[in-house]
Amino acid sequence: DGGITQSPKYLFRKEGQNVTLSCEQNLNHDAMYWYRQDPGQGLRLIYYSQIVNDFQKGDIAEGYSVSREKKESFPLTVTSAQKNPTAFYLCASSIVGGIYEQYFGPGTRLTVT
Amino acid sequence: GENVEQHPSTLSVQEGDSAVIKCTYSDSASNYFPWYKQELGKRPQLIIDIRSNVGEKKDQRIAVTLNKTAKHFSLHITETQPEDSAVYFCAASMKTSYDKVIFGPGTSLSVIP
Repeated sequence: DGGITQSPKYLFRKEGQNVTLSCEQNLNHDAMYWYRQDPGQGLRLIYYSQIVNDFQKGDIAEGYSVSREKKESFPLTVTSAQKNPTAFYLCASSIVGGIYEQYFGPGTRLTVT
Repeated sequence: GENVEQHPSTLSVQEGDSAVIKCTYSDSASNYFPWYKQELGKRPQLIIDIRSNVGEKKDQRIAVTLNKTAKHFSLHITETQPEDSAVYFCAASMKTSYDKVIFGPGTSLSVIP
């Protein structure tokens, strides 16, 4: 299970608070991704990054922010502007090129009450 | 942008029977089609993939077929076993200035012993 890690596994926050989810990889991958997974639903892309200091919005970026200051790290901040933040968040990484496997982290389950 | 549809959303089969999951994609520029398996509470993992220059690929009990003209691809699992029970996601990768992978909504497969 090494290679890409996410912490913490479970996270609880009060409504109105920003929260940052960690994602680290030691696979030397240039590309990193954040997905949101809701019960019974697929993986929806939040943000992705192909290179350090650059990132692009995915399909559901509103209420989220990211940074990519290091190749190994791609933290996701869930802001208070995200209307329904409770979900399972998956981070992934891959070699740039679009035709390579994405390696997923173990995920963080965020609960906001 | 790319859109990936997947059917059925749930599938139950008897142990030993075959299971087929079908996906369609919208962007003819997509050239890579991976399938991921996600067991309950775990991360998605790649099980098989196919590139647009190939019509069929097989790996032991699983196979994937691709029809570029119709823009659909399918996952076939033969001689199903209880450990095949999981959620399966198809995906399509499109080459743009920033590569990203679009996932289907998933199929929950249950193999009944």
